Amino acid sequence: EDQVTQSPEALRLQEGESSSLNCSYTVSGLRGLFWYRQDPGKGPEFLFTLYSAGEEKEKERLKATLTKKESFLHITAPKPEDSATYLCAALRSNDYKLSFGAGTTVTVRA
Amino acid sequence: DAGITQSPRHKVTETGTPVTLRCHQTENHRYMYWYRQDPGHGLRLIHYSYGVKDTDKGEVSDGYSVSRSKTEDFLLTLESATSSQTSVYFCAISESRATDTQYFGPGTRLTVL
Repeated sequence: EDQVTQSPEALRLQEGESSSLNCSYTVSGLRGLFWYRQDPGKGPEFLFTLYSAGEEKEKERLKATLTKKESFLHITAPKPEDSATYLCAALRSNDYKLSFGAGTTVTVRA
Repeated sequence: DAGITQSPRHKVTETGTPVTLRCHQTENHRYMYWYRQDPGHGLRLIHYSYGVKDTDKGEVSDGYSVSRSKTEDFLLTLESATSSQTSVYFCAISESRATDTQYFGPGTRLTVL
């Protein structure tokens, strides 16, 4: 059965304290790995798509990387406005089912 | 932001009553999806549509039905709401299912008493 597991569940950071979020997946035939950001009371907002192991994507203080078993979202020198829940999702190639992890809630203190 | 609106944004209803949630898009995307989001769970697919009048079930479709009579509108109906359907419901859209990103609406918070 497909599974997407995110860790940690919650992460509290001091402003400027870099860290990484983990998304490990067991999906038969990965077609793509997606990262979203979700603010309280809002819908998920797309950040990145990664398609193959070794691929990296960057946006401001965020960098996403992909291996054959997991993806990492690195937050460099975070600011309070980076506080949000970060979701990852794995797209399966045979039927295009998108499986989501439960998310990591990041809180950045000034 | 993708042009997706959901209505209502909040609803409180009683067990056994019918409920319809609406998703409206202005992007002319072919695919539309309904998800539910519950604490401790990832987003779970309820139903999706790949064109007008073309729909299929997702992983948690029991107790839900959908309809799509126009490209821009996708309706989710709970025929007889139950407390287990208390959740936040999100609509999403994409141009294709194979590789395209799904873009999400703002959500509807539904409480069934």
